[in-house]
Amino acid sequence: EVQLLESGGGLVQPGGSLRLSCAASGFTFSNYAMSWVRQAPGKGLEWVSAIGGAGAPTFYAVSVQGRFTISRDDSKNTLYLQMNSLRAEDTALYYCAKHQRTSGMPYFDYWGQGTLVTVSS
Amino acid sequence: DIQMTQSPSSLSASVGDTVTITCRASQSVISYLNWYQQKPGKAPKVLIYGASNLQSGAPSRFSGSGSGTDFTLTISSLQPEDFATYYCQQIRNTPWTFGQGTKVESK
Repeated sequence: EVQLLESGGGLVQPGGSLRLSCAASGFTFSNYAMSWVRQAPGKGLEWVSAIGGAGAPTFYAVSVQGRFTISRDDSKNTLYLQMNSLRAEDTALYYCAKHQRTSGMPYFDYWGQGTLVTVSS
Repeated sequence: DIQMTQSPSSLSASVGDTVTITCRASQSVISYLNWYQQKPGKAPKVLIYGASNLQSGAPSRFSGSGSGTDFTLTISSLQPEDFATYYCQQIRNTPWTFGQGTKVESK
């Protein structure tokens, strides 16, 4: 059974940093690209960042480019999101999601339950 | 960035109704269009990938159609468990943008 378990969220002051983790199990983690997707309270979904298998390539939303860094440790089956220079607008539930590709079509087939990041003084 | 616009933003329907949600892309995404369902307090679940392919395990009353810029999600014979918010997502170009969501509520 595929499981994705996010952790590392919490309350942080504007300008602060947090590192989110997503522990994966139930599949060969190194074979799959992964993404982070966030959802501000009461709002819609926003894709944040993605990383290919073996750590490359990486992609970022413009809103986080230069402040967030996605990485992975395939020996630990863990995905990370290092978030620096946090802003109030980064407040959201952060999901990790596993990529899948079927018949050449990519999509996110499994999602974690999310970890809440609150940026406030 | 490719902008995704869903309509309507919300709708009221009854069990047994056929529901149609549309999604329009600001430029062609070919068939790189997915549909997700999200229930309150839960993570999204993929229903349709590649515009028209039903994800394994998703009920057959869900169907998707379209290509290029215009797409449709249809729920035939709405069931109580289908009251939820639905999102389209283009995965043609990064950033992989979502529509703003369509909330399907009970009439």
